[in-house]
Amino acid sequence: EADIYQTPRYLVIGTGKKITLECSQTMGHDKMYWYQQDPGMELHLIHYSYGVNSTEKGDLSSESTVSRIRTEHFPLTLESARPSHTSQYLCASSELGLAGTNTGELFFGEGSRLTVL
Amino acid sequence: AQSVTQLDSQVPVFEEAPVELRCNYSSSVSVYLFWYVQYPNQGLQLLLKYLSGSTLVESINGFEAEFNKSQTSFHLRKPSVHISDTAEYFCAVSDGAGGSYIPTFGRGTSLIVHP
Repeated sequence: EADIYQTPRYLVIGTGKKITLECSQTMGHDKMYWYQQDPGMELHLIHYSYGVNSTEKGDLSSESTVSRIRTEHFPLTLESARPSHTSQYLCASSELGLAGTNTGELFFGEGSRLTVL
Repeated sequence: AQSVTQLDSQVPVFEEAPVELRCNYSSSVSVYLFWYVQYPNQGLQLLLKYLSGSTLVESINGFEAEFNKSQTSFHLRKPSVHISDTAEYFCAVSDGAGGSYIPTFGRGTSLIVHP
């Protein structure tokens, strides 16, 4: 049973609208991530966080922004959606751990599929 | 920098036949290796992982993978597949470069099991 939740699961929205994808986890994990997933492509890391007030950009350049005000919450925001933002967005978390115990094993939410018309 | 190559984008197979999904990685340091499974309209779930010790790791539903350091591979196998194994499978690698342990994923392999 998943302990990481994403809302909305599906969103269809017009160009220029502001959207926020919500992600919450109840496992107390320090590290959280946002990946972008397109068919037949690698999962691309767009943002991650080591903990409260920590946010970093990932490998894939993204026009989205994130915030981490609470440990359990890691929302992603697009100020002005465009058709190129159409994709599936996956949120994940992992334990920070001490050196040697942090393996990179991730726990994923069910994803938010965004369609921008 | 680490990278992952999944050599097959799609693997069709008949029910009860064996299957192998291939994964090769590149990394300059010691790695942790993972296979995740994604069923339609769901997120990714961990299938199995190699952290250390025995190079052969197994999942609860009959999959196994073997870490081969010399060939930098972590292929996933199952001796007899079921219709319910139809899903997308992702290989991932993480290393401690910079202390981040942030995993890199392959493009995924779509396993299609036919009756």
